[in-house]
Amino acid sequence: DAKTTQPTSMDCAEGRAANLPCNHSTISGNEYVYWYRQIHSQGPQYIIHGLKNNETNEMASLIITEDRKSSTLILPHATLRDTAVYYCTPSGNTPLVFGKGTRLSVIA
Amino acid sequence: DSGVTQTPKHLITATGQRVTLRCSPRSGDLSVYWYQQSLDQGLQFLIHYYNGEERAKGNILERFSAQQFPDLHSELNLSSLELGDSALYFCASSASSGGWVNEQFFGPGTRLTVL
Repeated sequence: DAKTTQPTSMDCAEGRAANLPCNHSTISGNEYVYWYRQIHSQGPQYIIHGLKNNETNEMASLIITEDRKSSTLILPHATLRDTAVYYCTPSGNTPLVFGKGTRLSVIA
Repeated sequence: DSGVTQTPKHLITATGQRVTLRCSPRSGDLSVYWYQQSLDQGLQFLIHYYNGEERAKGNILERFSAQQFPDLHSELNLSSLELGDSALYFCASSASSGGWVNEQFFGPGTRLTVL
């Protein structure tokens, strides 16, 4: 399994874009990058995933570097409800491995 | 609301006891996954069932067992409970596939406290 490095915590002003980085330099060629978030002890919530192309859905955008060694999750207009722990986890057909993630605090 | 339900929400019991946690997947999902989240270990995969069959095992203790019934609901049985088993237990489900699917929908969890 690829190892990931994420900042322990980040702050973001409400209404601004939140950019959450993740380093996964040991990612394998067949592993996708998955992003989940967990709001205060609720069940984790799937956000987005990608292989090598940038992806966008109604929740977020995912930017993956060309060498696939890192990615950035972008929440375009953060709201207070986006305050959560965000997990980046590379995975192929194997169980998700959740590290400690990044605690994002959105501030009014 | 993910569509995955778990009962009970909270469970308090004593060491040495046995408990059963229940999970109902989203309508149409055949895969169920169980996870344990404790303060010191983080979120860890326990076991995966697909359409009644065990498909993958993670860091699941021998004191723990699970099954998936014909109506697709799943139960996680924890026996000979220890203080260290206190944790949040999550169930997740995914779209029908015989293999592993990482776009999973998590339930609200069961908080187990062992005294």
